Parts: sequence; C-alpha cells; structure tokens
Amino acid sequence: QSALTQPASVSGSPGQSITISCTGTSSDIGGYKYVSWYQQHPGKAPKLMIYEVSNRPSGVSNRFSGSKSGNTASLTISGLQAEDEADYYCNSYTSSNTRVFGGGTKLTVL
Amino acid sequence: QVQLVQSGTEVKKPGASVKVSCKASGYTFTSYGICWVRQAPGQGLEWMGWISPYNGDTHYAQKFQGRVTMTTDTSTGTAYMELRSLRSDDTAVYYCARDTYAFDFWGQGTMVTVSS
Repeated sequence: QSALTQPASVSGSPGQSITISCTGTSSDIGGYKYVSWYQQHPGKAPKLMIYEVSNRPSGVSNRFSGSKSGNTASLTISGLQAEDEADYYCNSYTSSNTRVFGGGTKLTVL
Repeated sequence: QVQLVQSGTEVKKPGASVKVSCKASGYTFTSYGICWVRQAPGQGLEWMGWISPYNGDTHYAQKFQGRVTMTTDTSTGTAYMELRSLRSDDTAVYYCARDTYAFDFWGQGTMVTVSS
C-alpha cells in the first residue's frame, strides 16, 4: 500500500486560509468515508483534527474543515494562527482493511 | 478521561525483539480497536497494524507481516506490540492509538533504538 500524496510544505500569513491536499486512489480515499487528519507539533503525539472526511472532534476549532472529491481529500485551515504551525497528516481506510498515512505536510505560519 | 499509557524507552541490538505495552483506561477496552503507528526520526507517520481487543482479530501492514505480533490482555486493559528481527531502520517512536476508524486518543509514544 503506497502512502497517500501530500505536499511537503505549505505556508500562509496570520489570518489567511490554507488548504492541504491528500491524494490517493479509489482503493482508499475514493472508496470510503474514513478519511482523517492529524496535527503534530514537534516532540508531541499526533492529535485528531478531522474524522470521516469532514467531522471535527469536540474541542477542535471550527477554523479546521475537511472535504473530499474523488480520490483527493483536503484540509482547510482558516484564520491562520501561529499555534497552527505544525505537521499535518492525512489517513485513510483501505480496501485491504488496513490504514495508510500521507507523507505529511509542514505548515509554516509566516 | 480516556488515557493510553505506554511503556518506557527501549534500546535493542540488531536481531533482537522488542515488546511495547499500551495500558488503556477511561473507557470500555473491548469496545474499540487499538492501532500501532511508528515514526522514524525526522520522518512521517507509518501505520503498522490494528487489533480488536474484543475478539483478537488483527490486520497488519504488509511491510510488517511475519515480523510483528499484536496482542491484548483484556483483564488488565493492555495492548502489546512485539516486533522481531530488529534492524537499525526500526529505530523510531512507536505509538498506540484508540481506533474508531480514526485515531482519537494516542499514547505518549515509546522510543525504540536499535543499535549495535
């Protein structure tokens, strides 16, 4: 199972919006609603930000939103804040009853 | 509150095995799966596999088939991940996470270093 494809890095200024893409295949992202997104700060465990494509867990800011079109999922962060600077990973359920992560995207808040 | 507490740092020689534990609390252990994820230094997250504490069913990433075993002890609410025939590229932080088709709670991570 190949890793999902994410851009290595994205950047934005405080207050702006950014979108991180995550591209897979019809055997993972395109075939299921089980796409999730994780935020990871250096030296910390990942944190769930979005589950089932577009749902936010309790306590996660509504500045974070998710969507999917075909084999590509996206995470959008609006009103960028300094604390959003972190690595972001997507994850999908697959047709092999396994899971697969994206390679990760480093978000820099300028 | 849901908590996953993992065992401590391990240092192993190439060819050895390591067994990492993950003690769950704050929820019904058998109601959710547990997955294991690792992260090599400076690298991304890698999904290793999943176990159902309810019936012991497992699904492993093809990369680890034959080298990894995931188990649970429902009497103590603890999950285990054993990795055998360790190599230097197995050096990583190993995480357990509660699996609800998303990984909503994570352990603190266990650093495993493989070095001669």
